[in-house]
Amino acid sequence: DTEVTQTPKHLVMGMTNKKSLKCEQHMGHRAMYWYKQKAKKPPELMFVYSYEKLSINESVPSRFSPECPNSSLLNLHLHALQPEDSALYLCASSHPGGLASYNEQFFGPGTRLTVL
Amino acid sequence: SQQGEEDPQALSIQEGENATMNCSYKTSINNLQWYRQNSGRGLVHLILIRSNEREKHSGRLRVTLDTSKKSSSLLITASRAADTASYFCATSTRTDKLIFGTGTRLQVFP
Repeated sequence: DTEVTQTPKHLVMGMTNKKSLKCEQHMGHRAMYWYKQKAKKPPELMFVYSYEKLSINESVPSRFSPECPNSSLLNLHLHALQPEDSALYLCASSHPGGLASYNEQFFGPGTRLTVL
Repeated sequence: SQQGEEDPQALSIQEGENATMNCSYKTSINNLQWYRQNSGRGLVHLILIRSNEREKHSGRLRVTLDTSKKSSSLLITASRAADTASYFCATSTRTDKLIFGTGTRLQVFP
């Protein structure tokens, strides 16, 4: 299985809602990532988990809260978002860089988030 | 910004022609990767070139890397309509972190 799955595909939420994005992979990867991508822009790294521990937080506002319950799952909890947070949220996984010089990342299809 | 820059921003060609896109980056790297993204979807890894490599081929793709100029190029030969997508270079400086370039939008007309 060389797939990264993300649910939901689309999400519309109000600024007072709490929602979660989910990501799953079964490739045995021990590094997982959240990216945010605005239209016609490159992906911007938000968080990196390595061996289920948060290793990189790119100064993301606290209204985004990541969680890595186990080596296959990655969640992104959303609370009190702003309209400018509307974007495509991408999850990715890879072998942690320490295992090899290859850190090709496998991406999920993304969750299209709209904040009203 | 730490982002690499790609040029051109957009490229339109006919099927069968070659497409070349360039990437420049700012810091020393471990490797450089190229990804493709079809409209509004996830990214697909195309090819990785290590910092000690100068050229790499994969099918119709040819990637070059010049670390002295901090630049890379991606050549797609004999392009097809299905190659229509955005292409991003991404550099790895820390082993778990990729920094993406600004991207090139390629349109291949049948």
